[in-house]
Amino acid sequence: AQSVSQHNHHVILSEAASLELGCNYSYGGTVNLFWYVQYPGQHLQLLLKYFSGDPLVKGIKGFEAEFIKSKFSFNLRKPSVQWSDTAEYFCAVGSGNTGKLIFGQGTTLQVKP
Amino acid sequence: SAVISQKPSRDICQRGTSLTIQCQVDSQVTMMFWYRQQPGQSLTLIATANQGSEATYESGFVIDKFPISRPNLTFSTLTVSNMSPEDSSIYLCSVEDRLQRGTGTQYFGPGTRLLVL
Repeated sequence: AQSVSQHNHHVILSEAASLELGCNYSYGGTVNLFWYVQYPGQHLQLLLKYFSGDPLVKGIKGFEAEFIKSKFSFNLRKPSVQWSDTAEYFCAVGSGNTGKLIFGQGTTLQVKP
Repeated sequence: SAVISQKPSRDICQRGTSLTIQCQVDSQVTMMFWYRQQPGQSLTLIATANQGSEATYESGFVIDKFPISRPNLTFSTLTVSNMSPEDSSIYLCSVEDRLQRGTGTQYFGPGTRLLVL
């Protein structure tokens, strides 16, 4: 069965620190990969996605993620976090061509001003 | 993108009762999804709802417990039946991006926070 694993459950950083959130998935076929973010009191929203092509994808608010096929990974990065990045981050995999998403456990990021 | 609203935004219910959650989209979409997010956990897909056909349920979820309606391309309901405290969760609906069908690109509603006493 497909699964998505996020390495960190809760991350605390100071402003301007660099961020990397790990995500690994298990699926043998072609995958579509996503990072979603949920800011406090807001809807879950798409941060970035990867379908094909350049494995380094850029999203909103300075976030980027790198798809490494050999490692089944899609880690999220940001060189310098801000207090406003405090949120819950979810990695997700698109299941074949079904349109379904399988989510990781989520990582709560707390950025201290 | 799509704008999605859900009603109610939250509710407190007694065990044994049922609650119907409504999901309204501002545009016509083919695929809608219902998720559950239990406290401290991730999102788990309950079912996929396509207009004009029966909903497709994921393993561990059954129609008798979570009946779904999809009367048209902009609306769906999820009913949580015969509730128990274990049903206390956030229930979210989402829709597929019409221009990226089958990719998994989805837009989410604000969720319905349910507490069962």
